[in-house]
Amino acid sequence: KAGVTQTPRYLIKTRGQQVTLSCSPISGHRSVSWYQQTPGQGLQFLFEYFSETQRNKGNFPGRFSGRQFSNSRSEMNVSTLELGDSALYLCASDPTGRTNTGELFFGEGSRLTVL
Amino acid sequence: AQSVAQPEDQVNVAEGNPLTVKCTYSVSGNPYLFWYVQYPNRGLQFLLKYITGDNLVKGSYGFEAEFNKSQTSFHLKKPSALVSDSALYFCAVRSAGGGNKLTFGTGTQLKVEL
Repeated sequence: KAGVTQTPRYLIKTRGQQVTLSCSPISGHRSVSWYQQTPGQGLQFLFEYFSETQRNKGNFPGRFSGRQFSNSRSEMNVSTLELGDSALYLCASDPTGRTNTGELFFGEGSRLTVL
Repeated sequence: AQSVAQPEDQVNVAEGNPLTVKCTYSVSGNPYLFWYVQYPNRGLQFLLKYITGDNLVKGSYGFEAEFNKSQTSFHLKKPSALVSDSALYFCAVRSAGGGNKLTFGTGTQLKVEL
């Protein structure tokens, strides 16, 4: 079974631009979560989607948004990029349905550098 | 609000010796507790979890963790460390109805030396 696939793996943007990151969960997984990892703030929860609906949201500004498609693939978008948005963005999928176990399968991440 | 504390930034241990990576937590209600490991330039891998039941939880690669409700701790342990265990370890917590909104600790770098 293929793992969680995130694209692109690396990207460089400049301040003010926007970026879209993609995540394909493991086949059959319907829950997708996104986390931001930085040296200063560590791992922080962004949002979670299940059946195309946002189920949970972290404490990030409205510049951070996401969505999930009917095939469970998910995208997240960051608009008006700031230097502080430089981070590793991790996507994780969950094999369970409405009752989450917290046993997440993570992708290798998309490393965003904002110049 | 839920929180996790990993008091040690780094733990050094000799190969073959037992290892412990410490974690304490704070959460409303019954905790769901997790350990994840991250190797360089990789995503996180699930090691083990505690939801309910026995306080000693066994997980992948010979790791285990002990849940202590009175001390609000969930320390990760392994009887005999391997050099290949060297990695970054994260403890995480969520509340019972929290979906997949995990709160992670700051991580502990484990270094196992020959």
